[in-house]
Amino acid sequence: EPEVTQTPSHQVTQMGQEVILRCVPISNHLYFYWYRQILGQKVEFLVSFYNNEISEKSEIFDDQFSVERPDGSNFTLKIRSTKLEDSAMYFCASRAPLAGGENEQYFGPGTRLTVT
Amino acid sequence: AQSVTQLGSHVSVSEGALVLLRCNYSSSVPPYLFWYVQYPNQGLQLLLKYTTGATLVKGINGFEAEFKKSETSFHLTKPSAHMSDAAEYFCAVSNNQGGKLIFGQGTELSVKP
Repeated sequence: EPEVTQTPSHQVTQMGQEVILRCVPISNHLYFYWYRQILGQKVEFLVSFYNNEISEKSEIFDDQFSVERPDGSNFTLKIRSTKLEDSAMYFCASRAPLAGGENEQYFGPGTRLTVT
Repeated sequence: AQSVTQLGSHVSVSEGALVLLRCNYSSSVPPYLFWYVQYPNQGLQLLLKYTTGATLVKGINGFEAEFKKSETSFHLTKPSAHMSDAAEYFCAVSNNQGGKLIFGQGTELSVKP
């Protein structure tokens, strides 16, 4: 069964450093999402992406964050200058077009980001 | 704005007992409702979803949920718990097909032998 993959599974970085979290969505999917979950808190929406541009973003997704689809398979989340409060589990999700009623988002296993 | 409240951050049941995980939502538009399960070190997996039509929705692994508009609820049930059901369960709402998901805080289900 096709699945969303994410690398790395765990990333440790120092405050102020740039990190790139990588996701490989399911191959025929066209809609992509990033969510995060700070330990002990809710899963929160960060951004959605379609047709090479951001569809929607939350208040969390400020100028320190960016997303990119650098090639036909990867979808990345970059944090330019990490803060301690960016420590969280980051989930990537992807979704097929809506034709046929398909609206399920498929999630990857997550990348645990630890900022020290 | 939409929101989701899951009552009980931790629920413990005995194997074979009824599982009931509670979810209430707030939405100004007809909601699309979802239950996801997360096993340790894995991603979120869709259990079931309500979009339109029948209000009783059946999902994988014997779970089902009923959309009750008058109560703004979407509680998840399973008649008989199995040890393998131990996991974290998330209720989520969206305001359109394929839109961003707004999650509840999650309920950790423990199953005792």
